[in-house]
Amino acid sequence: AIQLTQSPSSLSASVGDRVTITCRASQGISSALAWYQQKPGKAPKLLIYDASSLESGVPSRFSGSGSGTDFTLTISSLQPEDFATYYCQQFNNYPLTFGQGTRLEIK
Amino acid sequence: QVQLVESGGGVVQPGGSLRLSCAASGFTFSSYGMHWVRQAPGKGLEWVAFIRYDGSNKYYADSVKGRFTISRDNSKNTLYLQMNSLRAEDTAVYYCAKEQGYCSGGSCYSRYFDYWGQGTLVTVSS
Repeated sequence: AIQLTQSPSSLSASVGDRVTITCRASQGISSALAWYQQKPGKAPKLLIYDASSLESGVPSRFSGSGSGTDFTLTISSLQPEDFATYYCQQFNNYPLTFGQGTRLEIK
Repeated sequence: QVQLVESGGGVVQPGGSLRLSCAASGFTFSSYGMHWVRQAPGKGLEWVAFIRYDGSNKYYADSVKGRFTISRDNSKNTLYLQMNSLRAEDTAVYYCAKEQGYCSGGSCYSRYFDYWGQGTLVTVSS
């Protein structure tokens, strides 16, 4: 199975900060990667698909990049509603796998 | 609007069985692959199972293979997960998710999950 390793596992930041989360795959997955945001007690919400495509309705401060084994999710200017846990997921082959998550907390 | 509503969760003893349902509405259910994803308390997301739009292909995580069965009834717009031989480590919130994918040359490929249900809690405990 393809392993996805996110870094950091947790992050403290302030409103207005620029934040980058990294997801590294154990083997090449082309651009078959999605990013999700999850708030406590809620289902995950799709942010980015195909590594860099912004889901409709998601604010443009979210962006994704990368291909092959290294991917990033960037939030250009943190807003209060962005404090949550973020997961990457690969779709290159089965079994589908998620990263372990990155918890983004208010500094 | 797309809605996915899970049901069937509850408390079950180790070794027991449970069947989860996911009622879908707001889209043409029979045209989309569907998945189950779970999340143990305080833990991350774990993909569990996939079923192709027509039910002709299924995949499972190694952790549930041989114990869980995914199925669907396109006439009822409903997805199912039959869980047998349950273990304590199966305790989790179970989500159903609709995928976006594509088919080419007889094979279908998943791209991302665009809608999720609210989840149903399964607790395996004596």
